[in-house]
Amino acid sequence: QVQLQESGPGLVKPSETLSLTCSVSGYSISSGYYWGWIRQPPVKGLEWIAIMHHSGSSYYSPSLRSRVTISADTSKNQFSLNLRSVTTADTAVYFCARVFTWPNWFDPWGQGTLVTVSS
Amino acid sequence: DIQMTQSPSSLSASVGDRVTITCRASQGISNSLAWYQQKPGKAPKLLLYAASRLESGVPSRFSGSGSGTDYTLTITSLQPEDFATYYCQHYYSTPPTFGQGTKVEIK
Repeated sequence: QVQLQESGPGLVKPSETLSLTCSVSGYSISSGYYWGWIRQPPVKGLEWIAIMHHSGSSYYSPSLRSRVTISADTSKNQFSLNLRSVTTADTAVYFCARVFTWPNWFDPWGQGTLVTVSS
Repeated sequence: DIQMTQSPSSLSASVGDRVTITCRASQGISNSLAWYQQKPGKAPKLLLYAASRLESGVPSRFSGSGSGTDYTLTITSLQPEDFATYYCQHYYSTPPTFGQGTKVEIK
Protein backbone atom coordinates (compact mmCIF):
# COMPACT_ATOMS: atom_id res chain seq x y z
CA GLN A 1 0.00 0.00 0.00
CA VAL A 2 1.50 3.30 -1.07
CA GLN A 3 2.14 5.88 1.64
CA LEU A 4 3.37 9.45 1.38
CA GLN A 5 5.04 11.57 4.06
CA GLU A 6 5.90 15.26 3.84
CA SER A 7 8.93 16.76 5.57
CA GLY A 8 10.60 20.13 5.76
CA PRO A 9 10.98 23.26 7.87
CA GLY A 10 7.90 24.42 9.71
CA LEU A 11 8.99 28.06 9.65
CA VAL A 12 10.26 30.08 6.70
CA LYS A 13 11.12 33.77 6.59
CA PRO A 14 9.46 36.11 4.09
CA SER A 15 11.31 36.38 0.75
CA GLU A 16 13.07 33.05 1.33
CA THR A 17 12.46 29.69 -0.36
CA LEU A 18 10.10 27.08 1.04
CA SER A 19 11.47 23.57 0.40
CA LEU A 20 9.51 20.41 1.13
CA THR A 21 10.12 16.75 0.41
CA CYS A 22 7.62 13.94 0.01
CA SER A 23 8.91 10.46 0.80
CA VAL A 24 7.01 7.65 -0.89
CA SER A 25 6.86 4.07 0.38
CA GLY A 26 5.15 1.05 -1.09
CA TYR A 27 5.63 2.15 -4.70
CA SER A 28 8.52 3.32 -6.83
CA ILE A 29 7.86 6.78 -8.25
CA SER A 30 9.93 5.84 -11.29
CA SER A 31 7.43 3.10 -12.13
CA GLY A 32 4.68 5.48 -13.08
CA TYR A 33 1.83 7.73 -11.90
CA TYR A 34 2.02 11.44 -11.29
CA TRP A 35 3.13 12.99 -8.01
CA GLY A 36 2.04 16.38 -6.79
CA TRP A 37 1.50 19.04 -4.17
CA ILE A 38 -1.62 20.70 -2.81
CA ARG A 39 -1.86 23.30 -0.06
CA GLN A 40 -4.49 24.51 2.38
CA PRO A 41 -4.14 27.90 4.09
CA PRO A 42 -5.48 28.02 7.66
CA VAL A 43 -9.27 27.71 7.77
CA LYS A 44 -9.46 27.83 3.99
CA GLY A 45 -9.93 25.54 1.04
CA LEU A 46 -7.59 23.46 -1.05
CA GLU A 47 -5.30 24.76 -3.80
CA TRP A 48 -3.39 22.61 -6.28
CA ILE A 49 0.25 23.70 -6.71
CA ALA A 50 2.17 21.38 -9.04
CA ILE A 51 2.39 17.85 -10.44
CA MET A 52 5.10 15.79 -12.09
CA HIS A 53 5.67 12.48 -13.84
CA HIS A 54 8.85 10.48 -13.45
CA SER A 55 9.47 10.88 -17.17
CA GLY A 56 10.04 14.58 -16.57
CA SER A 57 6.77 16.19 -17.57
CA SER A 58 5.39 18.65 -15.06
CA TYR A 59 2.47 21.03 -14.71
CA TYR A 60 2.12 24.08 -12.49
CA SER A 61 -0.69 26.20 -11.15
CA PRO A 62 -0.82 29.35 -13.31
CA SER A 63 -0.98 31.51 -10.19
CA LEU A 64 2.22 30.00 -8.73
CA ARG A 65 4.15 28.95 -11.85
CA SER A 66 6.67 31.79 -11.67
CA ARG A 67 7.78 30.78 -8.15
CA VAL A 68 7.46 26.97 -8.07
CA THR A 69 9.66 24.06 -9.04
CA ILE A 70 8.80 20.38 -8.58
CA SER A 71 11.47 17.72 -8.94
CA ALA A 72 12.19 14.10 -8.07
CA ASP A 73 15.03 12.07 -6.60
CA THR A 74 14.23 8.57 -7.79
CA SER A 75 17.22 7.10 -5.94
CA LYS A 76 15.55 8.11 -2.67
CA ASN A 77 12.00 7.60 -3.95
CA GLN A 78 11.20 11.20 -3.09
CA PHE A 79 9.89 14.26 -4.84
CA SER A 80 10.25 17.86 -3.76
CA LEU A 81 8.66 21.29 -3.91
CA ASN A 82 10.51 24.60 -3.96
CA LEU A 83 8.47 27.79 -3.59
CA ARG A 84 10.52 30.94 -3.94
CA SER A 85 10.03 34.46 -2.57
CA VAL A 86 7.43 33.42 -0.02
CA THR A 87 5.08 35.82 1.77
CA THR A 88 2.70 35.34 4.67
CA ALA A 89 0.06 34.34 2.10
CA ASP A 90 2.03 31.14 1.55
CA THR A 91 1.40 30.00 5.12
CA ALA A 92 -0.50 26.73 4.75
CA VAL A 93 -0.60 23.01 5.34
CA TYR A 94 1.18 21.44 2.38
CA PHE A 95 0.10 17.98 1.21
CA CYS A 96 1.73 15.65 -1.27
CA ALA A 97 -0.38 13.16 -3.20
CA ARG A 98 -0.41 10.64 -6.02
CA VAL A 99 -2.42 10.98 -9.21
CA PHE A 100 -3.14 8.10 -11.58
CA THR A 101 -2.98 10.23 -14.69
CA TRP A 102 -3.29 13.92 -15.41
CA PRO A 103 -5.53 15.66 -14.74
CA ASN A 104 -7.25 13.38 -12.29
CA TRP A 105 -8.21 12.98 -8.65
CA PHE A 106 -5.67 12.84 -5.83
CA ASP A 107 -5.28 9.59 -3.92
CA PRO A 108 -3.67 8.85 -1.57
CA TRP A 109 -2.50 11.95 0.29
CA GLY A 110 0.25 12.48 2.81
CA GLN A 111 -0.75 13.65 6.27
CA GLY A 112 0.33 17.22 5.52
CA THR A 113 2.86 19.56 7.05
CA LEU A 114 2.24 23.08 8.31
CA VAL A 115 4.58 25.74 6.99
CA THR A 116 4.39 29.17 8.56
CA VAL A 117 5.92 32.18 6.82
CA SER A 118 6.99 34.68 9.43
CA SER A 119 9.97 36.78 10.37
CA ASP B 1 -9.80 28.32 -14.69
CA ILE B 2 -13.01 26.44 -13.93
CA GLN B 3 -14.60 27.71 -10.73
CA MET B 4 -16.29 25.23 -8.39
CA THR B 5 -19.06 26.53 -6.13
CA GLN B 6 -20.34 24.36 -3.31
CA SER B 7 -23.55 24.86 -1.38
CA PRO B 8 -24.29 25.15 1.38
CA SER B 9 -21.04 26.25 3.01
CA SER B 10 -22.19 24.59 6.22
CA LEU B 11 -25.13 22.62 7.53
CA SER B 12 -26.35 21.13 10.78
CA ALA B 13 -27.81 17.66 10.75
CA SER B 14 -28.64 14.81 13.10
CA VAL B 15 -27.51 11.22 13.06
CA GLY B 16 -29.75 9.35 10.67
CA ASP B 17 -30.52 12.36 8.48
CA ARG B 18 -30.15 12.43 4.72
CA VAL B 19 -27.69 15.12 3.64
CA THR B 20 -27.21 16.60 0.18
CA ILE B 21 -24.32 18.81 -0.90
CA THR B 22 -24.22 20.51 -4.27
CA CYS B 23 -21.23 21.46 -6.43
CA ARG B 24 -21.60 23.67 -9.50
CA ALA B 25 -18.89 24.15 -12.09
CA SER B 26 -18.51 27.36 -14.08
CA GLN B 27 -18.55 25.27 -17.27
CA GLY B 28 -19.38 21.69 -18.19
CA ILE B 29 -16.91 19.14 -16.79
CA SER B 30 -18.26 15.88 -18.26
CA ASN B 31 -18.49 14.05 -14.92
CA SER B 32 -14.79 14.72 -14.20
CA LEU B 33 -15.56 15.30 -10.54
CA ALA B 34 -14.25 13.89 -7.28
CA TRP B 35 -15.54 14.25 -3.73
CA TYR B 36 -13.37 14.23 -0.60
CA GLN B 37 -14.02 14.10 3.13
CA GLN B 38 -11.69 15.96 5.47
CA LYS B 39 -11.63 15.76 9.25
CA PRO B 40 -9.78 18.30 11.42
CA GLY B 41 -6.01 17.90 11.27
CA LYS B 42 -6.22 15.17 8.63
CA ALA B 43 -5.67 14.92 4.91
CA PRO B 44 -8.65 14.78 2.57
CA LYS B 45 -9.91 11.27 1.86
CA LEU B 46 -11.24 10.34 -1.56
CA LEU B 47 -14.91 9.28 -1.45
CA LEU B 48 -16.06 9.27 -5.08
CA TYR B 49 -14.64 9.92 -8.53
CA ALA B 50 -16.14 10.23 -12.00
CA ALA B 51 -19.03 11.95 -10.22
CA SER B 52 -20.68 8.74 -9.06
CA ARG B 53 -18.11 5.96 -8.67
CA LEU B 54 -17.51 4.95 -5.07
CA GLU B 55 -13.90 4.56 -3.99
CA SER B 56 -13.08 1.13 -2.60
CA GLY B 57 -13.81 0.87 1.10
CA VAL B 58 -16.16 3.87 1.25
CA PRO B 59 -19.57 3.05 2.78
CA SER B 60 -22.46 2.76 0.37
CA ARG B 61 -24.40 5.47 2.22
CA PHE B 62 -22.29 7.90 0.18
CA SER B 63 -23.41 8.45 -3.39
CA GLY B 64 -22.85 10.96 -6.14
CA SER B 65 -24.82 12.13 -9.14
CA GLY B 66 -25.01 14.89 -11.70
CA SER B 67 -23.97 15.91 -15.16
CA GLY B 68 -22.82 18.94 -17.09
CA THR B 69 -22.18 21.65 -14.53
CA ASP B 70 -24.22 20.44 -11.54
CA TYR B 71 -23.26 17.61 -9.20
CA THR B 72 -24.50 16.27 -5.87
CA LEU B 73 -23.05 14.31 -2.98
CA THR B 74 -25.65 12.52 -0.88
CA ILE B 75 -25.17 10.86 2.46
CA THR B 76 -28.10 8.69 3.44
CA SER B 77 -28.51 8.03 7.16
CA LEU B 78 -25.71 10.27 8.48
CA GLN B 79 -23.39 8.53 10.94
CA PRO B 80 -21.34 10.11 13.79
CA GLU B 81 -18.12 9.56 11.84
CA ASP B 82 -19.51 11.52 8.86
CA PHE B 83 -19.30 14.90 10.60
CA ALA B 84 -16.54 16.54 8.60
CA THR B 85 -15.89 18.98 5.77
CA TYR B 86 -16.58 17.84 2.22
CA TYR B 87 -14.88 19.15 -0.92
CA CYS B 88 -15.55 18.67 -4.59
CA GLN B 89 -12.75 18.84 -7.17
CA HIS B 90 -12.96 18.93 -10.96
CA TYR B 91 -10.26 17.29 -13.06
CA TYR B 92 -11.65 18.19 -16.48
CA SER B 93 -8.68 20.40 -17.30
CA THR B 94 -5.57 21.99 -15.82
CA PRO B 95 -5.66 23.54 -13.29
CA PRO B 96 -7.90 21.25 -11.27
CA THR B 97 -9.78 23.31 -8.71
CA PHE B 98 -11.68 22.58 -5.53
CA GLY B 99 -14.93 23.85 -4.12
CA GLN B 100 -14.70 25.94 -0.98
CA GLY B 101 -15.98 23.12 1.21
CA THR B 102 -19.15 22.21 3.08
CA LYS B 103 -18.89 21.66 6.81
CA VAL B 104 -21.36 19.11 8.16
CA GLU B 105 -21.95 19.75 11.85
CA ILE B 106 -23.95 18.01 14.53
CA LYS B 107 -27.37 19.52 15.23
